[in-house]
Amino acid sequence: QLQLQESGPGLVKPSETLSLTCTVSGDSIAGSHYYWGWIRQPPGRGLEWIANIFYSGATYYNPSLKSRVAISVDTLRNQFSLTLPSVTAADTAVYYCARQTHWGFFDYWGQGSRVTVSS
Amino acid sequence: EIVMTQSPLSLPVTPGEPASISCTSSQNLQHTNGYNYLHWYLQKPGQSPQLLIYLGSDRASGVPDRFSGSGVGTDFTLKISRVEPEDVGVYYCMQGLQTPYTFGQGTKLEIK
Repeated sequence: QLQLQESGPGLVKPSETLSLTCTVSGDSIAGSHYYWGWIRQPPGRGLEWIANIFYSGATYYNPSLKSRVAISVDTLRNQFSLTLPSVTAADTAVYYCARQTHWGFFDYWGQGSRVTVSS
Repeated sequence: EIVMTQSPLSLPVTPGEPASISCTSSQNLQHTNGYNYLHWYLQKPGQSPQLLIYLGSDRASGVPDRFSGSGVGTDFTLKISRVEPEDVGVYYCMQGLQTPYTFGQGTKLEIK
């Protein structure tokens, strides 16, 4: 059974860098025909797609965040990561990692990592 | 960017009654392969979103057959034939045709 698990700090100070990692178990990122992505949900609000990465390293970003965000993959550890520098209160959200098929839907999601930006 | 619009945003339903949610996209979601890249998710309280319907009308594994999806192009509908108490939560449509992938605002289904 495929499982995804986010890890990272629950609290980040304004202007600092948020780093999150998603560990995948039950499937290998390397050589898979899936995309691996990050989606976030601010408190009480809807879902926002952030970025995707293919095992080859090809990346896709939401233009609203592209200048700030970076996604990377570590196939040896079967993990992929998100880095978001210069965070503000607007980056407070639950961050989900998920697997995306080539049909465009996210079929497996992590449980979410709650991140609060506050001094 | 493709804008996804759902209605209604709030949906109180009596158990056993049907429910319907509409999702409209600002662009045609039908791929050249004929499939509509429109997907539905349910986010139950305190949980991650879970896939309900993909490619407009295909139920995800384990999804009860009381859930059905229909539509083509820019207009899509999610129907629940008989609402059960465990169906409460927020329903989202999402377009997977092009980046940035975008979601509807969400429809909150509650039990009367």
